[in-house]
Order: sequence, then C-alpha cells, then structure tokens
Amino acid sequence: GQQVQQSPTSLVLQEGENAELQCNFSTSLNSMQWFYQRPGGSLISVFYNPSGTKQSGRLTSTTVIKERRSSLHISSSQITDSGTYLCAMESGLSGKLTFGEGTQVTVIS
Amino acid sequence: EAAVTQSPRNKVAVTGGKVTLSCNQTNNHNNMYWYRQDTGHGLRLIHYSYGAGSTEKGDIPDGYKASRPSQENFSLILELATPSQTSVYFCASGDGDNTEVFFGKGTRLTVV
Repeated sequence: GQQVQQSPTSLVLQEGENAELQCNFSTSLNSMQWFYQRPGGSLISVFYNPSGTKQSGRLTSTTVIKERRSSLHISSSQITDSGTYLCAMESGLSGKLTFGEGTQVTVIS
Repeated sequence: EAAVTQSPRNKVAVTGGKVTLSCNQTNNHNNMYWYRQDTGHGLRLIHYSYGAGSTEKGDIPDGYKASRPSQENFSLILELATPSQTSVYFCASGDGDNTEVFFGKGTRLTVV
C-alpha cells in the first residue's frame, strides 16, 4: 500500500476561508517536507518540518512524528494559494523522499 | 537558498534515441536525486547519488542510467528512449538524512 496518504484529494475554498490538509505515513519517518506546485510548475519547498509546529505567513505546519502524521493549515486563503500541495517523508535513508499524490487546492472569489 | 538548475527545460526525443538530462547544484550538497512525476503516480525516485563517482538505484531505475562526474553535476541518461518515459523529470539535492531537499524546475520530456 501507499506509504504516504494525503487528504483530501482536492478541495475548493471561497477566498478567505481556512483549510487543513492532512498527510499520514504508514511507516516510521525521520522528517518530512511540504511542497507547493502550480500546474506545470516546479516544486517549491513550503516547510521542512521534522517535528513540531512551524509557521510562515498564513501557512502553519504541524508534524507529530510518533503519530506518523503532518498537517498544513492555510488561513484566510487567497486565490494565489491555488495549486497542488505535496507532502513527502524521509525515513532515514540518505535523504530519499517518498511523496504523497498531493491535494489540489482551488481558491475562488 | 539552494540552487538546482536543470537543462534542458523541455525536450522532444524520438523512440530509440539517446537522451541526457543534466542537473547542476551550487550548494555543495553531497546527495543528488532524480525523480519523475506522472499523473496517478506522483513523484518517484529513479536514481540518486552520495557524491562524485557514486550512483545508486532508486525505486524505478529500469531504462535509466545516471552519472555523477563531480559534486555539482548529476545526469540522467536514457540510452534507448521509449514513449513510456514521457514525463516531467525533477532533479534535487540535499545533505542526507534529516535535511531539507531542494528541487530544480523540472524537465518536460516527450518521447515520440
């Protein structure tokens, strides 16, 4: 089965709404990263978050390693937040990442 | 900010031809990686390297070779390109366990 499960697969937000994206891991992990990608675009690192809570502007990531989960909270969503958010885990093998399939976020006005 | 540069950004190749994708990083990272991204499969690891002269197989190495001639450069080689290798390829670099990984902008490869 898939080692990295993301939910939801997609969501549509009204501008200004909040959202929480989930990432669950089926195996133990050392660290994880959240990435943002526009259609046809590059992978932009949003958070490198081995554990605990990190915040950057309107985005907050919380990782609980023992529970094998991480979340990404988007507050006061804006149209420019639209895109795909990918989480990836690193399980201690030379920095190799295993990715989830992403959550596609669409923010409408 | 780590800089990972891929070339070319777009490539059209013919079936059976040889394709080389290049990657350069300027942050002296030991590890480099090649992934491909396909709808329905997400990103999957093809090859990676621990440093100059080293290459290791990832999860889907068949049909691909890799070369790491220097700390900065890591190439992905398709000796006999097939249409199933049409994809977007990403190169990345990092310093190993428990460190952030940085990605290039990707190469869109179409094999016709």
